[in-house]
Amino acid sequence: KNEVEQSPQNLTAQEGEFITINCSYSVGISALHWLQQHPGGGIVSLFMLSSGKKKHGRLIATINIQEKHSSLHITASHPRDSAVYICAVSRDSGGGADGLTFGKGTHLIIQP
Amino acid sequence: KAGVTQTPRYLIKTRGQQVTLSCSPISGHRSVSWYQQTPGQGLQFLFEYFSETQRNKGNFPGRFSGRQFSNSRSEMNVSTLELGDSALYLCASSVQWGTEAFFGQGTRLTVV
Repeated sequence: KNEVEQSPQNLTAQEGEFITINCSYSVGISALHWLQQHPGGGIVSLFMLSSGKKKHGRLIATINIQEKHSSLHITASHPRDSAVYICAVSRDSGGGADGLTFGKGTHLIIQP
Repeated sequence: KAGVTQTPRYLIKTRGQQVTLSCSPISGHRSVSWYQQTPGQGLQFLFEYFSETQRNKGNFPGRFSGRQFSNSRSEMNVSTLELGDSALYLCASSVQWGTEAFFGQGTRLTVV
């Protein structure tokens, strides 16, 4: 079982819809990251959070540390939001690789 | 300010050769991490450097190595290339370990 699980793997929605992408993890973490990757490869960091909720424009990220779960929401979705959204965690130090551990990503397509 | 710069953007090498990839972090950032992205395995952590010292290494063979210079620029080297090394190699920089990571555009390596 992967340490970071995302759902859904693929999501197609109509412009304007409210989008939710979920991330569950099974290890102790110091922070959780939401990343966006467009075709061509470049990755943009959307959020880094360790508790509560953060908002940036139409994007909202929440995390529940007790349940080891995070969600990324997109309000009023737009075709330019089409991308791969990746959840990643920074594991607690104390053993193993301390670099980011990634989920498999959610392929989001917003149709006009 | 300038983002993370990776060079070259694209590279084609032959099996058995070696390759060196370069990453220039954002000015003031002292931590550089490297990641490999393949369709099958997704994003995987290679190694992380901070102030010229390797802090952590992922689960990759010794053919993969790296270093960081006093100006925080980093290089990674892959020796005796195999077909399976074909991937997008991404580097990310941050002010220090555990803070928000900023990614470069990546180097797409093809081994033939």
